[in-house]
Amino acid sequence: SQKIEQNSEALNIQEGKTATLTCNYTNYSPAYLQWYRQDPGRGPVFLLLIRENEKEKRKERLKVTFDTTLKQSLFHITASQPADSATYLCAPNSGGSYIPTFGRGTSLIVHP
Amino acid sequence: GEEVAQTPKHLVRGEGQKAKLYCAPIKGHSYVFWYQQVLKNEFKFLISFQNENVFDETGMPKERFSAKCLPNSPCSLEIQATKLEDSAVYFCASTRTSEHGYTFGSGTRLTVV
Repeated sequence: SQKIEQNSEALNIQEGKTATLTCNYTNYSPAYLQWYRQDPGRGPVFLLLIRENEKEKRKERLKVTFDTTLKQSLFHITASQPADSATYLCAPNSGGSYIPTFGRGTSLIVHP
Repeated sequence: GEEVAQTPKHLVRGEGQKAKLYCAPIKGHSYVFWYQQVLKNEFKFLISFQNENVFDETGMPKERFSAKCLPNSPCSLEIQATKLEDSAVYFCASTRTSEHGYTFGSGTRLTVV
């Protein structure tokens, strides 16, 4: 069955460092993959979308890579700030459908 | 407007009662989606619409759940005869096309007691 794996343990880093979050998927080949941020009590906020023919995408301090051979996407936040603390969700579109399936998310905590 | 508006924010229902949730998508967005978040960060897709037409309802428990998106009205998700396990936050999202990021509402927290 299709699976999306994000690290369930919180990632703790110091302010100013680069945070790297991982999303692995198995048993399907998404045409694109989205990353969202979710704060407690709020809906997810769209950050970036990367297509299968794109290796990398950037937006300000954010960078996403998409390796269809490894079936993995990496999400980087450079020069991290305490305000970046949130849960980050990976959402590849499910095989044969444009509906994104969400991973369980990884909590990022940036310490001042 | 530029936000997806969901109402109510909180809803409490006794087991067996009906619950109705509303979502006003962003103007110009053709697609609407409903997701259920039961445990922290576990999203379950329920149904999607393209304009007023059901596009994909593979996630809907059809015996008790129904949804509509009619022209010039908020979209709605209705749960007949709620069960304790329906307690969750229900999120609505909209997007211009299927290959754009989605804009989510703040969710409706349904508590079935």
